[in-house]
Amino acid sequence: EIVLTQSPGTLSLSPGERATLSCRASQSVSSSYLAWYQQQPGQAPRLLIYCASSRATGIPDRFSGSGSGTDFTLTISRLEPEDFAVYYCHQYGNSPPTFGGGTKVEIK
Amino acid sequence: QLQLQESGPGLVKPSETLSLTCTVSGDSIGSSGHYWGWVRQPPGKGLEWIGSIYYSGNTYYSPSLKSRLTISLDTAKNQFSLKLNSVTATDTAVYYCARRIKDSNGYFYPDSWGQGTLVTVSS
Repeated sequence: EIVLTQSPGTLSLSPGERATLSCRASQSVSSSYLAWYQQQPGQAPRLLIYCASSRATGIPDRFSGSGSGTDFTLTISRLEPEDFAVYYCHQYGNSPPTFGGGTKVEIK
Repeated sequence: QLQLQESGPGLVKPSETLSLTCTVSGDSIGSSGHYWGWVRQPPGKGLEWIGSIYYSGNTYYSPSLKSRLTISLDTAKNQFSLKLNSVTATDTAVYYCARRIKDSNGYFYPDSWGQGTLVTVSS
């Protein structure tokens, strides 16, 4: 089973700042089959990125994903008030699918 | 517009069976070529993949839950279901149903989720 480790656990930033979230895999993720989700309190996860760098429908271009192999990054270029949430990475190319532990982006 | 809605008891006694149903609207679970699955989230914790079922009926379960788990389809009602046997307090979680769609390389990822339902295991 691939273990995904997200860092940092919490990121304290101000609106307008750039957020860089990391997801590191315990072994190579097949063909960059990695997705990113945003979860607001009390809500279901929302798909942001799939295939490591493809934005889902309706996702603003301030969200971008990159990486391959074992190291992946989600970048939010300029934080909007609605972006403060918990973010999860998810690998779906290796069995079983697994999720990272999450990064909380909070208002500084 | 696709909608998924979980339903089932919010309280289950230890050693009993947890049963949930996901009702899908806006897509046909028996013919769309997607996977349909379940993910859970213990209170205050992260996400855990439980298992999925293909539109053809083939199932794919988490190794840690496989011995207690059954996921099934009811295409007539456009629903799929989860049954988890012999539950304990560690099975307390918000349970989400989700659709998994195919990317350009043929691998499936969750793109749409239900709102989730909290199931508490307690006597």
